[in-house]
Amino acid sequence: GAVVSQHPSRVICKSGTSVKIECRSLDFQATTMFWYRQFPKQSLMLMATSNEGSKATYEQGVEKDKFLINHASLTLSTLTVTSAHPEDSSFYICSAPIGGTGGAGEQFFGPGTRLTVL
Amino acid sequence: GESVGLHLPTLSVQEGDNSIINCAYSNSASDYFIWYKQESGKGPQFIIDIRSNMDKRQGQRVTVLLNKTVKHLSLQIAATQPGDSAVYFCAENPDPSGGYNKLIFGAGTRLAVHP
Repeated sequence: GAVVSQHPSRVICKSGTSVKIECRSLDFQATTMFWYRQFPKQSLMLMATSNEGSKATYEQGVEKDKFLINHASLTLSTLTVTSAHPEDSSFYICSAPIGGTGGAGEQFFGPGTRLTVL
Repeated sequence: GESVGLHLPTLSVQEGDNSIINCAYSNSASDYFIWYKQESGKGPQFIIDIRSNMDKRQGQRVTVLLNKTVKHLSLQIAATQPGDSAVYFCAENPDPSGGYNKLIFGAGTRLAVHP
């Protein structure tokens, strides 16, 4: 099956620093990827849709200047948490869809990145 | 707003029993539904999906039932095993216009399988 990877899997940083998280589709191309955030014991919340060759689309309430998204190629999207603060500590997960006719294609999720801001 | 919710936050079952996890959705326009399994510290794993033109779909040990009349979705796991212990999420695609659409996830149900 299709594989989506994320790097790093875990990161600890000091408050005020920026952190970059990579999402790669390893054996398929993805013009669209999705970024989710998940707090402990909660569901996945969609943050933004990453589009190759154009600007990301952010969900309501998500600060685009805080969470910078760059879809650099057909296999790579990056999420940069700028000036991170403890409340940004969360599990960040990306997904990439394959195919889809007449509806959503199957989405493959990355393993997630655990961000801890001290 | 749009939401997908679950009736039971936790479910404990004995190994070998059948499990039923329920989900309610609110958007009657949604035409595609998926169940995911998430183990601790990992990303969601696809289990089974169903389109709105069906009311039942079976996989290996899993069955998804869709009742569009009451906007209810359920996941049945037969002969539950310890390896099935995880959090299960239902998700819906609220935009049936096609293409790569975002998913709305439910709150999740933790399934605990006891030996």
